[in-house]
Amino acid sequence: QLHLQESGPGLVKPSETLSLTCIVSGDSISSSTHYWGWIRQPPGKGLEWIGSIYYVRTTYYSPSLKSRVTMSIDTSNGHFSLNLRSVTAADTAVYYCVRHVIYEGGSYYLRDLPRIDHWSQGMLVTVSS
Amino acid sequence: QSVLTQPPSASETPGQRVTISCSGGNSNIGNNYVYWYQQFPGTAPKLLIYRDNQRPSGVPDRFSGSKSGTSASLAISGLRSDDEADYYCATWDDSHIGPVFGGGTKLTVL
Repeated sequence: QLHLQESGPGLVKPSETLSLTCIVSGDSISSSTHYWGWIRQPPGKGLEWIGSIYYVRTTYYSPSLKSRVTMSIDTSNGHFSLNLRSVTAADTAVYYCVRHVIYEGGSYYLRDLPRIDHWSQGMLVTVSS
Repeated sequence: QSVLTQPPSASETPGQRVTISCSGGNSNIGNNYVYWYQQFPGTAPKLLIYRDNQRPSGVPDRFSGSKSGTSASLAISGLRSDDEADYYCATWDDSHIGPVFGGGTKLTVL
């Protein structure tokens, strides 16, 4: 059974970098049928896609966050990471790491990226001095 | 402001059928599959519908999805009190080059 567990500081100062890591257990992070990603949810608000990464390090980022986001993946140790630079209070949110399914019926389909079959429990990150 | 538009709230009585709408445009719903998520307070979302109308294993057939043009709908029949949750639609956006979500609909079972 796949398990995703995020780790990182729960409090980040404004203008600094938010860094989170997601440890993948129970399945291979090198799976060709999945992407790995980050979704966030500000308190009381809706879901926002941040970005996603493939095991060969191909990345896709939200246009609104692209200038501040970097994602990486470590296939040897089964984890992937998020760096969000120059944070402000607007970046305060629950951050989820997720697994996307991009393979169905014998075909790969990147536009299936909205299909998320596993989520971490979520981690509240607060941006405050 | 979300790319996809959902009503902020919906309500219905137990046993009845409720539909939740999701409106977009040609660059998203009009050209791509729609997905639906259910989220209870304090928990991660759960996939209910993928590729417009497909249910993952374990999702009851009370939940169904449909799409027409640039709009999609989630229908829940035989409404139960434990269906009370937030529901989000999602799709790929060709301009965004990535997934986009609706603002969410809070369903109240009266």
